[in-house]
Amino acid sequence: AQSVTQLDSHVSVSEGTPVLLRCNYSSSYSPSLFWYVQHPNKGLQLLLKYTSAATLVKGINGFEAEFKKSETSFHLTKPSAHMSDAAEYFCVVSLSGYSTLTFGKGTMLLVSP
Amino acid sequence: NAGVTQTPKFQVLKTGQSMTLQCAQDMNHEYMSWYRQDPGMGLRLIHYSVGAGITDQGEVPNGYNVSRSTTEDFPLRLLSAAPSQTSVYFCASRGSNSPLHFGNGTRLTVT
Repeated sequence: AQSVTQLDSHVSVSEGTPVLLRCNYSSSYSPSLFWYVQHPNKGLQLLLKYTSAATLVKGINGFEAEFKKSETSFHLTKPSAHMSDAAEYFCVVSLSGYSTLTFGKGTMLLVSP
Repeated sequence: NAGVTQTPKFQVLKTGQSMTLQCAQDMNHEYMSWYRQDPGMGLRLIHYSVGAGITDQGEVPNGYNVSRSTTEDFPLRLLSAAPSQTSVYFCASRGSNSPLHFGNGTRLTVT
């Protein structure tokens, strides 16, 4: 069985300050982990993925995430928020192959000027 | 490079009506799936398919039917719409060990 918990439903930051979106997972096996972003009235876009290679994963738009097995975490970070980062972010866990993906409930990132 | 195409983008139904949400992908992906997205609930899996002729239920399958006669298409059918099915529906596909590619969604309102 697998599950994912996004620890914050909303995160508010000021433009230019760091972003931290927290995600914890549980999985019986070595998982694949993803972060997706959804802008208003849009589909979901892949930000980055972890598939058992390097534990620090770099994604698009300056985002990165670190896989920490000991903490079962996969937190998403960005050094400096931009207004265009305002969106909803989903952490996703999957086993290998075609197994189904499990989505977190999402974190809404609000960026103020 | 169309990716995953969903139609229609918006739909309003009356309770008891039926309709089919269309989904097509041109990436030769074996895996296709349907999710519904509701506020505060994240995305919940309705049905999925790992290849033509093979479908299976996800987390919330009741009230929905699917079929997979070709690799490209994976329609979702609502046989008798209910207000509880008001939601945004996303179709997604993936290849083996690759991330999901999403369509832009269908916003369905059942009155």
